[in-house]
Amino acid sequence: GAVVSQHPSRVICKSGTSVKIECRSLDFQATTMFWYRQFPKQSLMLMATSNEGSKATYEQGVEKDKFLINHASLTLSTLTVTSAHPEDSSFYICSARTTDTQYFGPGTRLTVL
Amino acid sequence: DAKTTQPPSMDCAEGRAANLPCNHSTISGNEYVYWYRQIHSQGPQYIIHGLKNNETNEMASLIITEDRKSSTLILPHATLRDTAVYYCIVRPYSYSGAGSYQLTFGKGTKLSVIP
Repeated sequence: GAVVSQHPSRVICKSGTSVKIECRSLDFQATTMFWYRQFPKQSLMLMATSNEGSKATYEQGVEKDKFLINHASLTLSTLTVTSAHPEDSSFYICSARTTDTQYFGPGTRLTVL
Repeated sequence: DAKTTQPPSMDCAEGRAANLPCNHSTISGNEYVYWYRQIHSQGPQYIIHGLKNNETNEMASLIITEDRKSSTLILPHATLRDTAVYYCIVRPYSYSGAGSYQLTFGKGTKLSVIP
């Protein structure tokens, strides 16, 4: 199956700082990538759809100025959590789509102190 | 989008077949059935998908009823490493826009494989 990586796998930061998470499709090109967030004991919630070379589409209730998404190439999308606060602590997961399937990265555990 | 209904939890003895049901009674003719699983603290793993025919791969088999209103994921010989939350998702195969690629995750079925 197709492989998607994320970096870092775990990050701890202070409140007010910004954190960048990278999502890479390692063995295929992805015009569309997705970013999800998962709180403890809850299911995945889609945050935004990232399209290569264009602006991301955000789901209702997700602040686009807080969660900056850049999809500059067919194999890389980045999510930057700006001015992070403790309530942003969560498990962030990206996915990249092939023709008919989405493949997910291993996730990034963000803890904001 | 069609909704799916899955039992919240199931147990399966190690070495036995695990049969995970999914109800999708409002599925449309252009919607695929996808199965993913999520092992604790990891990203979801793709398992299998199908439209109307039964499908099999190295991980599992997918049995879709003739009326397409329900399906069953079969893990033929469950191991302890198959303990995970299993998600059944329906998604249209119309490629008219990015929204058609989205996956909506429900609560899934927590499968516990017991030694």
